[in-house]
Amino acid sequence: GQNIDQPTEMTATEGAIVQINCTYQTSGFNGLFWYQQHAGEAPTFLSYNVLDGLEEKGRFSSFLSRSKGYSYLLLKELQMKDSASYLCAVSYMIKAAGNKLTFGGGTRVLVKP
Amino acid sequence: EAGVTQFPSHSVIEKGQTVTLRCDPISGHDNLYWYRRVMGKEIKFLLHFVKESKQDESGMPNNRFLAERTGGTYSTLKVQPAELEDSGVYFCASSQAWGVGTEAFFGQGTRLTVV
Repeated sequence: GQNIDQPTEMTATEGAIVQINCTYQTSGFNGLFWYQQHAGEAPTFLSYNVLDGLEEKGRFSSFLSRSKGYSYLLLKELQMKDSASYLCAVSYMIKAAGNKLTFGGGTRVLVKP
Repeated sequence: EAGVTQFPSHSVIEKGQTVTLRCDPISGHDNLYWYRRVMGKEIKFLLHFVKESKQDESGMPNNRFLAERTGGTYSTLKVQPAELEDSGVYFCASSQAWGVGTEAFFGQGTRLTVV
C-alpha cells in the first residue's frame, strides 16, 4: 500500500508555531501536497513540494525530504482561523497518463486563545 | 470562475435504495477524481477519469458503485443498492492536466447517510 502517516491532532496557542509531520512511502512519488480543510468545507490547496527543501508562502511553509519520505507543514503566527484539519497528500505516478492523490488521515489543529 | 460543484450536498437514504451523486468539474479540466471519507478514516481514492475514460478505478469498493462521465464533462456516481457502510462524505476533484505538480480542486462534498 501507500500509507501516509500524520498525527491525528495537535493543539497550539494563538501566535505560536506548529509543525505537522507527514511520512510516506517513496516508491512512485511524484509530488506532495498539503491541503487545509475546515469542517464541512472542501479541502483547499496550501502548498506543493516535488524537490527537496523548504517552500515558504506567507505564514505557511512546507518542507520535503524525498530520500526520507518525509514532509512537514509549518504554521507560524497562528490565528484562530487556522483551526482546521490539514491533509498531507502524495501524488503517485500510477500509469503513463495519470497521477493519483493518496491522502493521510489529516491532522486536526486546534488553536487556543 | 465557478469551482467544482457537487449535488446534492446531503442525502439520507434507506438501505437498499439507490442514490446518484453528481459532480461538475471546473470547465476545461480533463481530470476528474472521486474520493470518499468514511467516519474517522482518511480520504480514500475511488476513481479517476481523463475526459470520458476511466483511467483508474482501483479504489471502487465493489460493483454496487458505478461512475460515469458521458461527454467528458460532469460525472455521476451511483450507488445501487446502498448499504450502511456506504455512509460518508463523497468528494469530487478536478485538475487541468496530469503532469507533475497538478493541483486538484475539490468540491464541498456530498454527505451520504444510509439508514
